[in-house]
Amino acid sequence: RKEVEQDPGPFNVPEGATVAFNCTYSNSASQSFFWYRQDCRKEPKLLMSVYSSGNEDGRFTAQLNRASQYISLLIRDSKLSDSATYLCVVKAGNQFYFGTGTSLTVIP
Amino acid sequence: DAGITQSPRHKVTETGTPVTLRCHQTENHRYMYWYRQDPGHGLRLIHYSYGVKDTDKGEVSDGYSVSRSKTEDFLLTLESATSSQTSVYFCAITPAGLSGNTIYFGEGSWLTVV
Repeated sequence: RKEVEQDPGPFNVPEGATVAFNCTYSNSASQSFFWYRQDCRKEPKLLMSVYSSGNEDGRFTAQLNRASQYISLLIRDSKLSDSATYLCVVKAGNQFYFGTGTSLTVIP
Repeated sequence: DAGITQSPRHKVTETGTPVTLRCHQTENHRYMYWYRQDPGHGLRLIHYSYGVKDTDKGEVSDGYSVSRSKTEDFLLTLESATSSQTSVYFCAITPAGLSGNTIYFGEGSWLTVV
């Protein structure tokens, strides 16, 4: 079983739509959680950390449910520039574990 | 910008040849990592370093070796390249060491083994 699992998509949504991505992790001892964004043929870049209380950064909202070992990312009012692959990342002990990514395309 | 540069950025090599990828950082970070990224697998750790001459294996270390003779450089060597090592390789750092919460990546090195 993979440490981190994500729906690979693709998600194709119109501009202005709201889209949600989910991620589950298997290690209950995981202590840190993140969403990264990766553009085609580029490196992953930190989008936001995910806190137990949930957190928001502009149009992006991240939620963590430790009991269900589940992380989510909500993007409101999607922009064309949001088209990318979104990676769920979990840190357990000294190791980072990466999901395979969810592909998002925002359509004009 | 995490101050990480990788070289070469793109390389095509023949099966059986040795290949070395270089990761250079300018901010004196202690911890450095090499990952590979392949479709369907996500990022997988090859080797990491926690200081000069201190390295350890990751999940997919077979066929790879590393060296870190100075803080700023972390080298990944494919001793005898195989087609299964065709991949994109990312170097990464964690600013506060293993206790650091975030990981930052270099721009990647695309390697094709023919």
